Amino acid sequence: EAQVTQNPRYLITVTGKKLTVTCSQNMNHEYMSWYRQDPGLGLRQIYYSMNVEVTDKGDVPEGYKVSRKEKRNFPLILESPSPNQTSLYFCATSPILGGANVLTFGAGSRLTVL
Amino acid sequence: DAKTTQPNSMESNEEEPVHLPCNHSTISGTDYIHWYRQLPSQGPEYVIHGLTSNVNNRMASLAIAEDRKSSTLILHRATLRDAAVYYCILRDWGNTPLVFGKGTRLSVIA
Repeated sequence: EAQVTQNPRYLITVTGKKLTVTCSQNMNHEYMSWYRQDPGLGLRQIYYSMNVEVTDKGDVPEGYKVSRKEKRNFPLILESPSPNQTSLYFCATSPILGGANVLTFGAGSRLTVL
Repeated sequence: DAKTTQPNSMESNEEEPVHLPCNHSTISGTDYIHWYRQLPSQGPEYVIHGLTSNVNNRMASLAIAEDRKSSTLILHRATLRDAAVYYCILRDWGNTPLVFGKGTRLSVIA
């Protein structure tokens, strides 16, 4: 089954404790991206990657890092989480970045930073 | 900034058709019009997309204005399961990342 898998789905952590949210896809998609969703602000893009070893900043990249060492995985790294990074995070993928290509989203990871 | 404009919310009765409008007056010739929806506590899911012609699939229909400056997502018979936030998004062939606006929150009344 084609899917985008995020882990963990739920996490409560403390300020400053490094964490990684993983995203894995089994569809051989080239394009992967991370979004955060906050009440009243909608979905905002954090980082995206158009292929292996190619990453670019989205609208809200501050405080986040990503890497794309292999096509199927695109982890989101919070080196020193802060409470303002408490949010719902979504990974999304598509075959390539282009008009006719459809995005497939993961189920989301709810992160709370105390 | 989002390049589309949608009403904040709409309401429909169950089993009646729903027409969700989207304005995209600055659309370019290569922009595809995509619709996604987000059910409560879930990730967004694809609904439909089109370029110039109207499109139908098992979930919905997409009506695109002749000048492409607006479009309408049509749910032919709304069910309670269709209650969600619906996002209208433009995708082009370049490297521009997707921008999600705030979408339209659809409520379905039994």
